[in-house]
Order: sequence, then C-alpha cells, then structure tokens
Amino acid sequence: DAGVTQSPTHLIKTRGQQVTLRCSPKSGHDTVSWYQQALGQGPQFIFQYYEEEERQRGNFPDRFSGHQFPNYSSELNVNALLLGDSALYLCASSLGPPTDTLNTIYFGEGSWLTVV
Amino acid sequence: GDSVTQMEGPVTLSEEAFLTINCTYTATGYPSLFWYVQYPGEGLQLLLKATKADDKGSNKGFEATYRKETTSFHLEKGSVQVSDSAVYFCALNDYKLSFGAGTTVTVRA
Repeated sequence: DAGVTQSPTHLIKTRGQQVTLRCSPKSGHDTVSWYQQALGQGPQFIFQYYEEEERQRGNFPDRFSGHQFPNYSSELNVNALLLGDSALYLCASSLGPPTDTLNTIYFGEGSWLTVV
Repeated sequence: GDSVTQMEGPVTLSEEAFLTINCTYTATGYPSLFWYVQYPGEGLQLLLKATKADDKGSNKGFEATYRKETTSFHLEKGSVQVSDSAVYFCALNDYKLSFGAGTTVTVRA
C-alpha cells in the first residue's frame, strides 16, 4: 500500500514565479492537508481539503491556493514567489472528514522548494 | 487558539541513556495528541498517539501519557540508541494539526 506521495521532491524557482506541487494521498484517504515547514521550525498548517472543498485555512496569504480532485489527489499553488516561501512543503492525508480527530494523519516525504 | 509548547533542544545523549521531551498544550476541547519524528532529509512519521485523557501511546520503546490535569504529553524512552537521533514534534489535532517547534535529539555511541 503506497503511502502519501508528493512531487516534485526538489525544485528551484525564481522570485516572482509560480509553482505547483502535487500530492497523492494514502489509498482511500479523502482528507488532504498541506503544511509549510521552514528550516528549523515545526510545520505550519496551510489549508485542508475534503470532498473537493477547502474546509480550513491557516494564516497564509491568498498567493497560496489549492485544489482537490475527484480521486482525492491535491495540488498546492503558490503565486508571486517570495524568498521567504523557501521551505519544505508537506502533504498529509487521513481517512474520513476532518472533524474526526481520532484519525491518524499520514505525511508524505515533502517537496523542497528553494526560491532564489 | 490551540497550541503546543515543547522542550527546546538540542538534546545530546549517550547510548542507553533515558530520554524525556516535555510537551504541554493549550486547547479549548479535548484534542487527540501525537508525537511525530523526522529523520534527516525526510518527512514526518507518526511515532505514537493518544486520543483521550490517561491514554498511553507507545511505539518502538517510546511512551507518552495524555495528562489532562497538567495538559501534558511528555515523551519518554528508557534506553536510547544512535538510530533514535532525529527531530521530535509534539502535535495536537483540533481538526488540523498544530505542532510544537520540535526538539532535536542526538544520541552518541
């Protein structure tokens, strides 16, 4: 059973550019969340998708947007990249609605984004 | 909002030493609590969890007990190995995960 998979694993972008990161959740998992982890810090919640809708959003600007597809996979888009957007972006998935806090949340290996 | 505070590191230990990483939380309800581990260059792996007061989560020799009265979820291991060197994150689930800042643990042979 494949776990949470993310692509690409590493990428370098120039300030002002746009980036799309992709995530395939663990098999059968229908809730997908994205987190940003800056170097030396804990992950910060960006947003969460369930039933193809954004259910919760953290304290991130509108430059960060996302989408969930009918097969539960998800994309994270970041526009007008800033140097401060350099981080590890983690995708996480769980089975069932986000309101079920007993569920275990599984993480992918992450996508390392460097903005130069 | 809900938050997690965990012991700052780095922590350096010798093999077979006892490890404790303190974690306290602030929450309006009764969230599930987790410890995740991150090895160098990798994503997060779930280490253990507890879903209600007095629950004890355990895995790979690590343990943590959900203490509602002290709002704590301290991580312990009785005898660490070099392979336990990693960053450890305490987290709570209030419909999303809120993480502590992480504690870097280095175990020396």
